[in-house]
Amino acid sequence: NAGVTQTPKFRILKIGQSMTLQCTQDMNHNYMYWYRQDPGMGLKLIYYSVGAGITDKGEVPNGYNVSRSTTEDFPLRLELAAPSQTSVYFCASSFLGASGGDEQFFGPGTRLTVL
Amino acid sequence: AQSVAQPEDQVNVAEGNPLTVKCTYSVSGNPYLFWYVQYPNRGLQFLLKYITGDNLVKGSYGFEAEFNKSQTSFHLKKPSALVSDSALYFCAVRDPGGMNRDDKIIFGKGTRLHILP
Repeated sequence: NAGVTQTPKFRILKIGQSMTLQCTQDMNHNYMYWYRQDPGMGLKLIYYSVGAGITDKGEVPNGYNVSRSTTEDFPLRLELAAPSQTSVYFCASSFLGASGGDEQFFGPGTRLTVL
Repeated sequence: AQSVAQPEDQVNVAEGNPLTVKCTYSVSGNPYLFWYVQYPNRGLQFLLKYITGDNLVKGSYGFEAEFNKSQTSFHLKKPSALVSDSALYFCAVRDPGGMNRDDKIIFGKGTRLHILP
């Protein structure tokens, strides 16, 4: 199994540009998550999904959108990039979710810079 | 609301000495607690978790953690530190008492562990 894969690894955007961060997992996990990691701030949850067709906002959803059309894929969309969205983005997945006591599996991350 | 605190931004330990990385939590019910490790330019990796049962939990790479309900703590420990243990460590908590679909966990800010040769 490849686990959780993310593309691209790095990206530089200009203010106002759009992009989609891709995330795929091959473990047949129901739950998927998007986090952003800023220095000294830990991880902040952006959006999460408990299954195909179901998504929910996390702690910091503004400026982002997600979709979950399949179990495997959970892309994150930035519509109008802003410097405040400069961060490292991590996708994660788990089978039962936190309420089931399941740990999360993380992708390698996407480092995004908005100039 | 649930919360988790890691009071130390950085911990320095000499190789071969025991190490402790502290974590305290606040939840409304019985917590689910997790420790993750992040090596440079990598995603987080699961180390161990406490759901129920024995308060001493053993995990990967020789790490263990002790759940202390009275002190609301879940400190990460290792008897003898290795240089390769140098990394960023995150504590996380889930409050299973939630009644809605709000199924997520909260991460601490992380503690950077430096093991000195």
